[in-house]
Order: sequence, then structure tokens, then C-alpha cells
Amino acid sequence: NAGVTQTPKFRVLKTGQSMTLLCAQDMNHEYMYWYRQDPGMGLRLIHYSVGEGTTAKGEVPDGYNVSRLKKQNFLLGLESAAPSQTSVYFCASRPLGQGMNTEAFFGQGTRLTVV
Amino acid sequence: QQQVKQSPQSLIVQKGGISIINCAYENTAFDYFPWYQQFPGKGPALLIAIRPDVSEKKEGRFTISFNKSAKQFSLHIMDSQPGDSATYFCAASIRGAGSYQLTFGKGTKLSVIP
Repeated sequence: NAGVTQTPKFRVLKTGQSMTLLCAQDMNHEYMYWYRQDPGMGLRLIHYSVGEGTTAKGEVPDGYNVSRLKKQNFLLGLESAAPSQTSVYFCASRPLGQGMNTEAFFGQGTRLTVV
Repeated sequence: QQQVKQSPQSLIVQKGGISIINCAYENTAFDYFPWYQQFPGKGPALLIAIRPDVSEKKEGRFTISFNKSAKQFSLHIMDSQPGDSATYFCAASIRGAGSYQLTFGKGTKLSVIP
């Protein structure tokens, strides 16, 4: 099983450029999330989706947009990249339910550098 | 306002020793407390999790201790091994809130030296 796949794994952008990060999951999970990880800051939620066609803001949404047109895909867009968006981005997904086995699965991450 | 505070930031333990990482939370609505383990270049992976209706959960060498009244929980790694060297994150979420989003601590980098 592929699980959660993020594309690309690495990217360097110039300030002002735009790009889209793709997250794909093959587990038929309802919920999907985008986090950013910065040194000493842990993981902070950018945006999330509770189902196909829905999105919502997380803790640090400014400068990002998302779309969930298909259940298996969750796209994170940067319209005009800024050096402050240099980070490692993680996508995660989880299934419906409240049981202890309904854990969140994370992708391998996308390391983005904005120069 | 940081809702989950984690300490220490880094930890060095001898092989065979006990590693202890502590977390404290503020939101009493949290009802699910997982620990994630992250190796360099990898995404976080669930290690062990607990609900607040129990005070302790053990899986192999890993134990979560939970103190609801103090709003604190901790991870104990017994007989620590060099392969345990990783960054550990505590987290919390509200299971019935609809989004199940996780609020993470800032992480602890554990180094187990031979």
C-alpha cells in the first residue's frame, strides 16, 4: 500500500512564484490535513478537509489555499511564495470514527525553500 | 497560545536507560492524546495513544502516563536503544469535534548513546 504520497519531495522557489503541492491517499480516508513543520515549532495545521469538496482553515492558513475536488487528493497552493513559507510540509489523512485505531497517517513530507 | 507544551526540547540517554518526555495541555475538551515518532527525512508515525479514562497505557517498552487532574501526560521509554533516537511529538485532539485535528507539542529530540 502506498498510504499517503506527497509530490514533489523537494522544491526551490523564488519569491513571488506560485506552486501546488499534491497529496494523494489510497486508504479511502475522509479527513485530510496539511501541516507545516519548522524547527522548534512542532507541526502546525494550515488547512484541513472533512470530506470531498470541503475545506477549512487551521492555525496558520495565511498565504495558502487548498482544494479537495476528489476524495483521494488534497492540494495545497502557494499563490505568491515568501521566504517565511520555507518549511517542511506534511500531509496527513485519517478515516471516519472515534475509535483508538482511527489514527492519522502522514506522508513523507515536501521540503520547500523560498529564496 | 500554545495549547500543548512539551519538554524537554532535547534529551540524551544512555543505552538501557529510561527516557521520559513530558507534556501539559490547557484545553480540558481534549480527549485523545497520541505520541508520534519521527525519524529524519520521514513523516511522523503514531507510536502510542491514550484516552483520559485510563491513567496508564503500555505497549512493549513504551508507556504513557496520564494525570487528568494535573492536565499532564508523559511518555516513558524503558531500556532505551540507539534505534529509538528520533524526534517525539505529543499531541492532543477532540474526538467528537468533527475535524479530529491534532494539536502538537514542539517536539523532543531524543538521542540514545551506546
